[in-house]
Amino acid sequence: KAGVTQTPRYLIKTRGQQVTLSCSPISGHRSVSWYQQTPGQGLQFLFEYFSETQRNKGNFPGRFSGRQFSNSRSEMNVSTLELGDSALYLCASSPSPDRVHEQFFGPGTRLTVL
Amino acid sequence: AQSVTQLGSHVSVSEGALVLLRCNYSSSVPPYLFWYVQYPNQGLQLLLKYTTGATLVKGINGFEAEFKKSETSFHLTKPSAHMSDAAEYFCAVSDRIKAAGNKLTFGGGTRVLVKP
Repeated sequence: KAGVTQTPRYLIKTRGQQVTLSCSPISGHRSVSWYQQTPGQGLQFLFEYFSETQRNKGNFPGRFSGRQFSNSRSEMNVSTLELGDSALYLCASSPSPDRVHEQFFGPGTRLTVL
Repeated sequence: AQSVTQLGSHVSVSEGALVLLRCNYSSSVPPYLFWYVQYPNQGLQLLLKYTTGATLVKGINGFEAEFKKSETSFHLTKPSAHMSDAAEYFCAVSDRIKAAGNKLTFGGGTRVLVKP
């Protein structure tokens, strides 16, 4: 069974641009969560999607948004990039929102903002 | 709000020595508890988890952790460190309520260095 895949793996953008990251969950998993990992703030929850609906949201500005498609694939978008958005963005998938103990993480997308 | 504290951002151990990584959580209701490992430029790999039942949990690569409710702790141990254990380790918790969904709250991480 293929794991969680994230594309692209590496990305370089400049301040003010926007970026879209993609996450394909494990087959049969319908819940997708996103996390930001930075040296200063550590691992922080961004949001969770299930059945194309955002179920939960972390404490991030509105520049961070996401969506989920009918095939459970998810994208997250960051608009008006700032230097502080440089981070490893991790996606995790689970069969459903009440199965946190069956959640698996992808390899992440490393975003560098110049 | 939940919080997770990992004591020590860096730990150095000799190969063959005991690895002990400490984790304490803040919730009055025992949450689900997890330990993850992260190797450079990779995602998070689950080492072990506590959901219910036996409080001593065994995981992959010889790691184990014990849930102690009275101490609100979930410390990770490995009797004998191997060079391949050099990585960053994260303790995480999730509330046992439906509204929490699959949200994990992570500790700050502990980077383990293994000396030959």
